[in-house]
Order: sequence, then C-alpha cells, then structure tokens
Amino acid sequence: AQKITQTQPGMFVQEKEAVTLDCTYDTSDPSYGLFWYKQPSSGEMIFLIYQGSYDQQNATEGRYSLNFQKARKSANLVISASQLGDSAMYFCAMRELGGGADGLTFGKGTHLIIQP
Amino acid sequence: EPEVTQTPSHQVTQMGQEVILRCVPISNHLYFYWYRQILGQKVEFLVSFYNNEISEKSEIFDDQFSVERPDGSNFTLKIRSTKLEDSAMYFCASSEALTADSNQPQHFGDGTRLSIL
Repeated sequence: AQKITQTQPGMFVQEKEAVTLDCTYDTSDPSYGLFWYKQPSSGEMIFLIYQGSYDQQNATEGRYSLNFQKARKSANLVISASQLGDSAMYFCAMRELGGGADGLTFGKGTHLIIQP
Repeated sequence: EPEVTQTPSHQVTQMGQEVILRCVPISNHLYFYWYRQILGQKVEFLVSFYNNEISEKSEIFDDQFSVERPDGSNFTLKIRSTKLEDSAMYFCASSEALTADSNQPQHFGDGTRLSIL
C-alpha cells in the first residue's frame, strides 16, 4: 500500500488564485512528521513546510499553509495568491518516528502549472 | 543561507564503471542522507548516516552502494560496477540532530544527474 498518496498528477491554476494540493498518508505510527517539498524544472528540492503529528495548529510559512486533518490522514498544502514562480512539482513526504526510521517516504508528486 | 552542495551536477559513466558522488552537507548538521529519483518517478530513500556509520538503509541500497565521510566536510556515495538502471538524479540531504520529539527538515542539495551509458 502507498504510504503517501498524491491524487493530482497535474494542475493548472490561474495566477493569483489559491491552490490546494492534496496529500493523504497511511501510517499506524502515532508519531510522524509530514513535509512538503517543491521541485522546480531545474531539479533542486526545496523544503517548504513541516507538520508534526502532535502539533495542535496547522503549520504556516508565508504563502504556504498546511491543512492537517489527522483523523482523515490528510495533509494538504495550500498556496495563497499563486505566482508564476510557483510552477513546479510538489512532493508530500512523511517520516515515521516510532520505528526509528530516518528516511522520508515521498509521494509521486503533483505538477502545478500557474497560468498568467 | 547555508546549503547542501553536490558535485558534479552531471556525471556520465560507462556501464560497469565505478562512480563517486560528492556532497558537502550544511556544516552544523549531523545527519546525512542519500536519495535517488529516477526520471519521472518519485524520490526514494537510499541511506542515512550518523556518527560515522550507516543509521538506516533501504532495500535499494545493496552491496553495490557504499557511503563514506572521508573528512570533516564531505559525504560521498560510491556506486561500484554501475548498471543502466542506476541512471537517476541523486540527492544528498542533511539535517540537524534528530530527536524523537521533533522532525528536523532535511535540506536537499541540487542533485547529481547520473547517466549510465
């Protein structure tokens, strides 16, 4: 079973609109962290935002916020006021702490294209 | 802002040859990682390294692979006898000390694109 599922392979959004990128996860570990990374066409991986499983509030970082719904096991990324430079692949990732895992498990990504 | 640096940015190697990918993690970070991303696919964890030894490795990280921290700054991934399917983008990442109560984000380098001919 997939641990991280991103159901939107591609999205087109008009500039200045808000966009929500979906991510659902599967774990039985009560302690875990969720991450979002951005990968522009140049290939680098840029850390955007993090949410811990015990965090009471949704994470926010500038125009990025994470809509964390623990009971539904979803951690959607919301980008407000989208810009042309937001066009990129976006990956949701998880790290499970209980088993002592170090590595991140990534989803397949969503290719976001911002249109002028 | 400190960053993870990887060299070379692109490496072309004949099948069967050995290749070494190099990384300089962020200076105060203690955990180091290698990931790979085959073209068009998701990023996959290979190995983590802490206190001069492998902390965790995935099924992908078989005897063909090895990692080393030869000095105080470099972190290397060696692939012996490369195969065509080793062609991928290889990312190095680092993070501050890992604790059970926090998830330090892993900061990635720009990657090395490895092409096996």
